[in-house]
Amino acid sequence: RKEVEQDPGPFNVPEGATVAFNCTYSNSASQSFFWYRQDCRKEPKLLMSVYSSGNEDGRFTAQLNRASQYISLLIRDSKLSDSATYLCVVNTHTGNQFYFGTGTSLTVIP
Amino acid sequence: DTEVTQTPKHLVMGMTNKKSLKCEQHMGHRAMYWYKQKAKKPPELMFVYSYEKLSINESVPSRFSPECPNSSLLNLHLHALQPEDSALYLCASSQDSALNEKLFFGSGTQLSVL
Repeated sequence: RKEVEQDPGPFNVPEGATVAFNCTYSNSASQSFFWYRQDCRKEPKLLMSVYSSGNEDGRFTAQLNRASQYISLLIRDSKLSDSATYLCVVNTHTGNQFYFGTGTSLTVIP
Repeated sequence: DTEVTQTPKHLVMGMTNKKSLKCEQHMGHRAMYWYKQKAKKPPELMFVYSYEKLSINESVPSRFSPECPNSSLLNLHLHALQPEDSALYLCASSQDSALNEKLFFGSGTQLSVL
């Protein structure tokens, strides 16, 4: 079983739409959770850390459900510039191990 | 300064060549990483250095040889690579403090092996 499972998509949504990505993790000892954004041929960049209480940054909302072992990312009012691959990343804090989901591809269409 | 610097940005090499990828960070991070990423796949961990010591080697072939000269620098020496080694090689760093660790990536080296 993979450490982190993520729907690869692709998600093709119109501008202004709301889109949600989910990710599940297998290790209940996982401590830190993140969403990274990666543009084509670029490096992954940290989008948001994910906390149990949920956190919001403008149009982006991240949630963590420890009981069900999943994290989510909600993007409201999608912009063309949101088109990218979104990577779910989990850290167990043992041995500097970060586990990556396969990434979810998002294309926002005019 | 939240930057991880990688050089070169692009590299084309033959199977008999020897080359090195370089990575530098000045954020005081004590963990540094090499990842390999193929198109449409997530980054795949190769090596981790923690406090300048190799802590993880994910069964990487010996034609890839990492080196950590000091806490700010990380190199990846390449020798006798195969065409299937062509990929984006990403360096990353983290604080290694076990408190909300975050990975910071360099812009990567796009490697083509002919």
